[in-house]
Amino acid sequence: QKEVEQDPGPLSVPEGAIVSLNCTYSNSAFQYFMWYRQYSRKGPELLMYTYSSGNKEDGRFTAQVDKSSKYISLFIRDSQPSDSATYLCAMNWNYGQNFVFGPGTRLSVLP
Amino acid sequence: EAGVTQFPSHSVIEKGQTVTLRCDPISGHDNLYWYRRVMGKEIKFLLHFVKESKQDESGMPNNRFLAERTGGTYSTLKVQPAELEDSGVYFCASSPLSGPYNEQFFGPGTRLTVL
Repeated sequence: QKEVEQDPGPLSVPEGAIVSLNCTYSNSAFQYFMWYRQYSRKGPELLMYTYSSGNKEDGRFTAQVDKSSKYISLFIRDSQPSDSATYLCAMNWNYGQNFVFGPGTRLSVLP
Repeated sequence: EAGVTQFPSHSVIEKGQTVTLRCDPISGHDNLYWYRRVMGKEIKFLLHFVKESKQDESGMPNNRFLAERTGGTYSTLKVQPAELEDSGVYFCASSPLSGPYNEQFFGPGTRLTVL
């Protein structure tokens, strides 16, 4: 079993749709949960950061962490073609330690 | 403020040759990480420097890989001799030693192709 599982997609949605991206993980020690967005031929850029369980909202993006289920989600409201990218979940257990990544979900938002 | 930079952006070499990748972290970031993504797989951790010291090199695949960080500034990752399975995208990331967010800033990556 992989440490972090993520549906690789590809996921295609029409512009304006609500997108739900998810990851599950096996290591209960993880405490920091990130969502990165990666455009083609670019490095990952941080979208959302969450510590422990709970929700966090930033504009059109909402991140949710359910540590009891070992399940994290990223919701994108009013999706735009510019949101088309690969979305990577990443997590670690202590500040400064390396991240463990999911394989990424490729999202296409169609105009 | 300049981000993490990596050089070269793309390298094509033959099996058995040597390649050196370079990473310049964000100024003032003492943490420096190397990651690698091979085709169809997730991004995987290689090693972690704190300043010039190797904090964790548990992800280094074998002794053909050698990483250095001169004076706690830029870092190099040398692959010698390169094998076909070393092909992939090598990312460098950096972060400060402390701060409000446990965030790593990634460079654009070096795409390595071993023929």
